[in-house]
Amino acid sequence: QKEVEQNSGPLSVPEGAIASLNCTYSDRVSQSFFWYRQYSGKSPELIMSIYSNGDKEDGRFTAQLNKASQYVSLLIRDSQPSDSATYLCAVPLSGGYQKVTFGTGTKLQVIP
Amino acid sequence: GAVVSQHPSRVICKSGTSVKIECRSLDFQATTMFWYRQFPKQSLMLMATSNEGSKATYEQGVEKDKFLINHASLTLSTLTVTSAHPEDSSFYICSATSGRVLVEQFFGPGTRLTVL
Repeated sequence: QKEVEQNSGPLSVPEGAIASLNCTYSDRVSQSFFWYRQYSGKSPELIMSIYSNGDKEDGRFTAQLNKASQYVSLLIRDSQPSDSATYLCAVPLSGGYQKVTFGTGTKLQVIP
Repeated sequence: GAVVSQHPSRVICKSGTSVKIECRSLDFQATTMFWYRQFPKQSLMLMATSNEGSKATYEQGVEKDKFLINHASLTLSTLTVTSAHPEDSSFYICSATSGRVLVEQFFGPGTRLTVL
């Protein structure tokens, strides 16, 4: 089992819809979780961090964490064509050095 | 805040030459910097972890003599690709963390290396 798993997509949603991106992880002791957005040809950009079970909202983005199920998701409300990108889930590795493991990413396409 | 720069953004070089890439944290002190490589349509691959004033820790399969990393200060890390070959052509990205508990990494804009 991979340490961090994401559906590679592409996930296609119409403009204005809610995009739901999912991520599962294998390390039960993980305490912090990150979502990055990566546009084609660009480097990743941190968009959300979440540390506690439940929901965390920031503008049109909501991160949801369920540690019991080892599941973290990202919801994008009112999706815009500019949201079209690859979304990477990142989970710190146990063992120190502040390394994180990145999922392979889900490609999101928002159709105008 | 949390701005990381990289230089150069793009480099084209001949096979056999060495290329140095700089990574700077502009508005914070980076206790740890990371170097990643990304091939087209693939995910990020961590190459090494760099802590200021100490030797870098390389991931399995990454040749430390080929990819030289120096973390001379809390705001600067460099990656030197020695004797570059066409298979080293890739997108190299650095990231930095301030060392806070939350381990958020902030990425530089990346360097696209093409080896002819």
